[in-house]
Amino acid sequence: QKEVEQNSGPLSVPEGAIASLNCTYSDRGSQSFFWYRQYSGKSPELIMSIYSNGDKEDGRFTAQLNKASQYVSLLIRDSQPSDSATYLCAVTSSYGGSQGNLIFGKGTKLSVKP
Amino acid sequence: NAGVMQNPRHLVRRRGQEARLRCSPMKGHSHVYWYRQLPEEGLKFMVYLQKENIIDESGMPKERFSAEFPKEGPSILRIQQVVRGDSAAYFCASSSTGLYGYTFGSGTRLTVV
Repeated sequence: QKEVEQNSGPLSVPEGAIASLNCTYSDRGSQSFFWYRQYSGKSPELIMSIYSNGDKEDGRFTAQLNKASQYVSLLIRDSQPSDSATYLCAVTSSYGGSQGNLIFGKGTKLSVKP
Repeated sequence: NAGVMQNPRHLVRRRGQEARLRCSPMKGHSHVYWYRQLPEEGLKFMVYLQKENIIDESGMPKERFSAEFPKEGPSILRIQQVVRGDSAAYFCASSSTGLYGYTFGSGTRLTVV
């Protein structure tokens, strides 16, 4: 069974701090990696995608990928109370040739305190 | 430029009834995915469809669940003879390529009473 593991949290950081979210995955064949943000009662919203080893920055968000360690992370700089949400890590499944199938972690709940 | 449209937003069914959930993908998107999210659980893949074809249904329960994406009209996720354990949020997503992440609809919250 292919899995994506995340700490469930809650992760609590003060406003203005850096929030660090981590994710490990078991499928060595995974090629694409995503971070989604989900507010309570809402649908997931894609915030970052990363496909090769290293860092990818977009505004206050930085995604980091290490395929050898099967590890993905998301850094949120200058955290704001509006960043309080559950962050879902997702990876593509290499199983059965269905390249669009995403495997999601259960999410890390982030709370940014004013 | 409408996003992924799902309806209804909320659906209440009695045990044993049928539930039909609809999803219209974004314009130009031909790949549709259905996911289920149980309370306090992650999103679980159910089925991946393209127009008139089921590409991957490895996440679909073997009984009572079916999905289609006809040539014309929305994709439909159908749950027959619903049970309380089917109560969940059902999300549809679409993409143009199937490879680069996708956009989710607002979801249908199914409650079985």
